[in-house]
Amino acid sequence: DAGVIQSPRHEVTEMGQEVTLRCKPISGHDYLFWYRQTMMRGLELLIYFNNNVPIDDSGMPEDRFSAKMPNASFSTLKIQPSEPRDSAVYFCASSSLGTGQETQYFGPGTRLLVL
Amino acid sequence: GENVEQHPSTLSVQEGDSAVIKCTYSDSASNYFPWYKQELGKRPQLIIDIRSNVGEKKDQRIAVTLNKTAKHFSLHITETQPEDSAVYFCAASRNNAGNMLTFGGGTRLMVKP
Repeated sequence: DAGVIQSPRHEVTEMGQEVTLRCKPISGHDYLFWYRQTMMRGLELLIYFNNNVPIDDSGMPEDRFSAKMPNASFSTLKIQPSEPRDSAVYFCASSSLGTGQETQYFGPGTRLLVL
Repeated sequence: GENVEQHPSTLSVQEGDSAVIKCTYSDSASNYFPWYKQELGKRPQLIIDIRSNVGEKKDQRIAVTLNKTAKHFSLHITETQPEDSAVYFCAASRNNAGNMLTFGGGTRLMVKP
């Protein structure tokens, strides 16, 4: 398995532009998580899905952020409009259900810079 | 909800010495405690985990201990090497929380050769 795949790996955009981050979880995993990492705030959970259904989005900063999972192999995190304070590394992670399978595997991350 | 505190935030040791990182959690229902290592510019990767029915687990130079009564768990690295330099994160979760992890703030470990 190729592991969790994220694209793009790097994104530089200007304030006000729309940004779309993409994630392909490990095949067969039931859970998908979106995290944001910054020096100031550490690793924050934004939202997670179970079987393509959003379960907890309480970590989503504000209405400018939205996430979808149209099928088991694809998810997007969208920021519209983007702001400089959104600059961070965004990680996607996936895991399975059940004791012994709950390890979260992280993707390589998308490094976002909003100018 | 769960709250995980991690200490220290930075740790510097001499190569060959041991390093200990400690975490406390608030939710007594938490039963799964993984530790992740994140090298500079890389993704967090699981290095060891422990479940609440076990008090200690060891894998070569790393070990984790869990004290359910006190609600704290620790990562122990023996015979540290320069390649152990990284940020380490502890986390906690409950099975019925849908695999959702709550992470500690991280510890930057520096191993000086």
